[in-house]
Amino acid sequence: SQQGEEDPQALSIQEGENATMNCSYKTSINNLQWYRQNSGRGLVHLILIRSNEREKHSGRLRVTLDTSKKSSSLLITASRAADTASYFCATAIYGQNFVFGPGTRLSVLP
Amino acid sequence: EADIYQTPRYLVIGTGKKITLECSQTMGHDKMYWYQQDPGMELHLIHYSYGVNSTEKGDLSSESTVSRIRTEHFPLTLESARPSHTSQYLCASSESGLGQPQHFGDGTRLSIL
Repeated sequence: SQQGEEDPQALSIQEGENATMNCSYKTSINNLQWYRQNSGRGLVHLILIRSNEREKHSGRLRVTLDTSKKSSSLLITASRAADTASYFCATAIYGQNFVFGPGTRLSVLP
Repeated sequence: EADIYQTPRYLVIGTGKKITLECSQTMGHDKMYWYQQDPGMELHLIHYSYGVNSTEKGDLSSESTVSRIRTEHFPLTLESARPSHTSQYLCASSESGLGQPQHFGDGTRLSIL
């Protein structure tokens, strides 16, 4: 099965609400990254958290990493319709290429 | 947005044709990648390169081939397209070093009739 798996697969919220999506992985990592993909476009890098970090912020984004549980979460606060996209986690593993999860499809309703 | 460009954006072509998908980046990145992604699904790495004259196959077996003659250019070729090749192809690049963020192009959506 996948090294990185996002949960939930799909999420629908109202504008202004917070959105939380999770990523689980199986092996030790160097870092974990979150990407956004708008429909019909490529992925855009959002944030990187290293294995020795527990929390990181960037604007309305908050990422946590729990290496003991091999999991990460991405929180988007005060969501906007423009946040509608698919969100992928990617794990950087020693000696291997990136592994992307299947993504969470976020819909933010106006 | 990153300076990585893919052409064409969309291609509809008949079975048996030879296809080349172009990917160019202006960031001087040594590492480049090709991913295959079906709509709404995960990315699968099909090829990557660590620099000029370096090419490797990725995790997903693919009938395509790649070349890396110049740092900025990483084309992908299908010698004889089949309907099973219908998908979206994403090109990415990154700086050298473990776990560097990847910069993606907007992809080529390929449909083989």
